[in-house]
Amino acid sequence: DTEVTQTPKHLVMGMTNKKSLKCEQHMGHRAMYWYKQKAKKPPELMFVYSYEKLSINESVPSRFSPECPNSSLLNLHLHALQPEDSALYLCASSQDNSPLWPQHFGDGTRLSIL
Amino acid sequence: GENVEQHPSTLSVQEGDSAVIKCTYSDSASNYFPWYKQELGKGPQLIIDIRSNVGEKKDQRIAVTLNKTAKHFSLHITETQPEDSAVYFCAASLGSARQLTFGSGTQLTVLP
Repeated sequence: DTEVTQTPKHLVMGMTNKKSLKCEQHMGHRAMYWYKQKAKKPPELMFVYSYEKLSINESVPSRFSPECPNSSLLNLHLHALQPEDSALYLCASSQDNSPLWPQHFGDGTRLSIL
Repeated sequence: GENVEQHPSTLSVQEGDSAVIKCTYSDSASNYFPWYKQELGKGPQLIIDIRSNVGEKKDQRIAVTLNKTAKHFSLHITETQPEDSAVYFCAASLGSARQLTFGSGTQLTVLP
């Protein structure tokens, strides 16, 4: 079982809905990440939080809003999404935001936009 | 920025045979190279990694080799089993950069 827990596992939402994805880790890691993964493609980085502060935003549209309430939790708030946003959203964590530390992934939230 | 190429995109082997997946990277300053296994419906799982000060690392049936001169690294799986069937991603990172660059993935199928 993964040590990074993501909820929900599946989410179907309309383009006008507001929903949130949640991620939790208890490994004491101080960096947390959101990735988007389309079918048969590698993960694409969206956001990086380091010590609960946003350190990287890979030019993600504002309809995706990340939040890091504390060192163990990471949320991704969704609003007014488009059908092309349907994908697997992965959370990961690592010791800190140096890319020399291994990243540990959760099993993702499968998001479908109607 | 860094660019990582991964080959082959699909690989089928008979159970018990070995499998080799190769990646090349563009930035000679890259110094960390993890490999991930992603099973259907799961997130990527780190299976082995290597740093640039090491040429080879082994963990049971899995090994990774790194050739810094040629800028390529490879994953070797020996005595393959059906449960090794998955998509495998290589990645590379620079200590000075802030993210991993992933290869395009290899679908490995182990035939019983």
